[in-house]
Amino acid sequence: QSVLTQPPSASGTPGQRVTISCSGSSSNIGSNYVYWYQQLPGTAPKLLIYRSDQRPSGVPDRFSGSKSGTSASLAISGLRSEDEADYYCAAWDDSLSGRVFGGGTKLTVL
Amino acid sequence: EVQLVESGGGLVKPGGSLRLSCAASGFTLGNAWMTWVRQAPGKGLEWVGRIRSRADGGTADYAASVKDRFTISRDDSINTLYLQINSLKTEDTAVYYCTAPNWNIGIDSWGQGTLVTVSS
Repeated sequence: QSVLTQPPSASGTPGQRVTISCSGSSSNIGSNYVYWYQQLPGTAPKLLIYRSDQRPSGVPDRFSGSKSGTSASLAISGLRSEDEADYYCAAWDDSLSGRVFGGGTKLTVL
Repeated sequence: EVQLVESGGGLVKPGGSLRLSCAASGFTLGNAWMTWVRQAPGKGLEWVGRIRSRADGGTADYAASVKDRFTISRDDSINTLYLQINSLKTEDTAVYYCTAPNWNIGIDSWGQGTLVTVSS
């Protein structure tokens, strides 16, 4: 059972906009930044969003992050087949004094 | 360019020990906060722990699930991070990644991971 809750799956067709949610609590998302990672099969995770809504250099602007209260979202617009991957949210948890991850969302591009 | 290369994984019996290494290049390890993250086969990511930079005290924090069994250390002279794992349990079976986050410039570099399998 993950501290951060994500839907196990999401899907969309090419060109569509998809949103993945991440729900937490006041001790994690409610008081700290949220981070999003993309993991392609057989590879290490790659940082997509940091500090809730910032994109690292090289990440397409099709990817965007937002946070409101104790929830966060990752939006992917102009969906492409290469976006098919697992997506994880993460945040620091003040109560646990550690970083916590969501259980991951498997995105399928139909 | 930042590069992280993990090694030291393998097959170990329950109760055994293992030391994982993470060779860093492209930056000065002693100046960085480093973390270990693991991923059990077919499962999600789990934060294992972190070690602060030398300037920030060099101390480590651990997830509750590994505290007292795992130890993070580093040898700055050879730019290498370590994860000592003792009293291994079957549930420690996972790919172990070292990471080098630098949120000020929006970077979180990951190694390719090393697989630890705990089985009798």
